[in-house]
Amino acid sequence: GQNIDQPTEMTATEGAIVQINCTYQTSGFNGLFWYQQHAGEAPTFLSYNVLDGLEEKGRFSSFLSRSKGYSYLLLKELQMKDSASYLCAVRAFGSGAGSYQLTFGKGTKLSVIP
Amino acid sequence: GAGVSQTPSNKVTEKGKYVELRCDPISGHTALYWYRQSLGQGPEFLIYFQGTGAADDSGLPNDRFFAVRPEGSVSTLKIQRTERGDSAVYLCASSLARGETQYFGPGTRLLVL
Repeated sequence: GQNIDQPTEMTATEGAIVQINCTYQTSGFNGLFWYQQHAGEAPTFLSYNVLDGLEEKGRFSSFLSRSKGYSYLLLKELQMKDSASYLCAVRAFGSGAGSYQLTFGKGTKLSVIP
Repeated sequence: GAGVSQTPSNKVTEKGKYVELRCDPISGHTALYWYRQSLGQGPEFLIYFQGTGAADDSGLPNDRFFAVRPEGSVSTLKIQRTERGDSAVYLCASSLARGETQYFGPGTRLLVL
């Protein structure tokens, strides 16, 4: 099976930097995704890592260490609109014929305060 | 182009009834996924289609749940004899091909009374 852990809640100040951590245990690892989900809305794709290292995309960066089963999402220059849940998801080869299902963590609810 | 769309956006039904939830994937996307999300949880995988065939249905909780994708585009998730525990948001996602990034629809909020 797969196990994904991330903090339940975090609070940060507008304009600051916040790091959301994710640890995972899985077999057949084939990539890690971060999604943003505003309350009552669909998850929106943010980033994808399959190799070790840092991927930067504007104010968002994501890091992966496969040997440690660890990833983080870094959000810079926080804005009020960044208040949302951030979901860490691991893709692994599934039991079906070439399945690429995602297994999600419970999400980290980020509150950005003035 | 248009994103993934799902209908209805909300569905209220009574225990024991049958419901159908529809998903229209992004045009040209061959892979389609159904997930279920309960309050305070991440989405949970239900079933994956590659084209018309269900390539992986290992996430379906029991035989009351069934899904089809007859023409390789629109998919319908069918739930028979609904139970209160089926209440959740049912999310559909599609990707251009197997293994590509999945893009989610807005979900159908199902409430079983």
